[in-house]
Amino acid sequence: EVQLLESGGGLAQPGGSLRLSCAASGFSFDMSALHWVRQAPGKGLEWVSAISGGGDRTNYADSVKGRFIISRDNVRNTLYLQLNSLRVEDTAVYYCAKAMVIDAFDFWGQGTMVTVSS
Amino acid sequence: DIVLTQSPATLSLSPGERATLSCRASLGISRYLAWYQQRPGQAPRLLIYDASNRATGIPARFSGRGSGTDFTLTISSLEPEDSATYYCQQRNNWPRTFGQGTKVEIK
Repeated sequence: EVQLLESGGGLAQPGGSLRLSCAASGFSFDMSALHWVRQAPGKGLEWVSAISGGGDRTNYADSVKGRFIISRDNVRNTLYLQLNSLRVEDTAVYYCAKAMVIDAFDFWGQGTMVTVSS
Repeated sequence: DIVLTQSPATLSLSPGERATLSCRASLGISRYLAWYQQRPGQAPRLLIYDASNRATGIPARFSGRGSGTDFTLTISSLEPEDSATYYCQQRNNWPRTFGQGTKVEIK
């Protein structure tokens, strides 16, 4: 059974940092691209970032480029998202999602809430 | 960036009725479009990928069609559990993008 479990969310001040983790199991971790998708309270889904199975290719939304860093540990089967220079508008539930061979997201975690506020 | 525009914003229908949801892309995206269902308080669930392929375990009442810029998700006969917000997502270009969602309400 595929499982994705996010952690690391919480309250941060504007300009602060957080590191999100997504522990994965039940599939070939190093063969799967992984993504982060966020959802601000009461709003729609926003794609944030992606990383290839080997970790050598990454992509970011313009809204987070230069501030967030996606990475993965294929030994620990864990995906990460380092959130730096946080802004109020980064407040959202952050989901990790597994991509199929194509970039459709067939499994999602339950999300971790990030609140940026002074 | 490719903008996906979904319509209508809200759809209110009775059980057993047919729901037709639209997603229009600002540029052609071949058939590289997926549909997701999100119930309140839950993570999204993949329904359809590459425009018309049902994901594992998705009931046959869900179907998708389209190519290029115009796509449709059809729910042939609404069930109460279909009350949710539906999102389209493209994988043709980076950054990946989602539509703003269509909320389906069951009367």
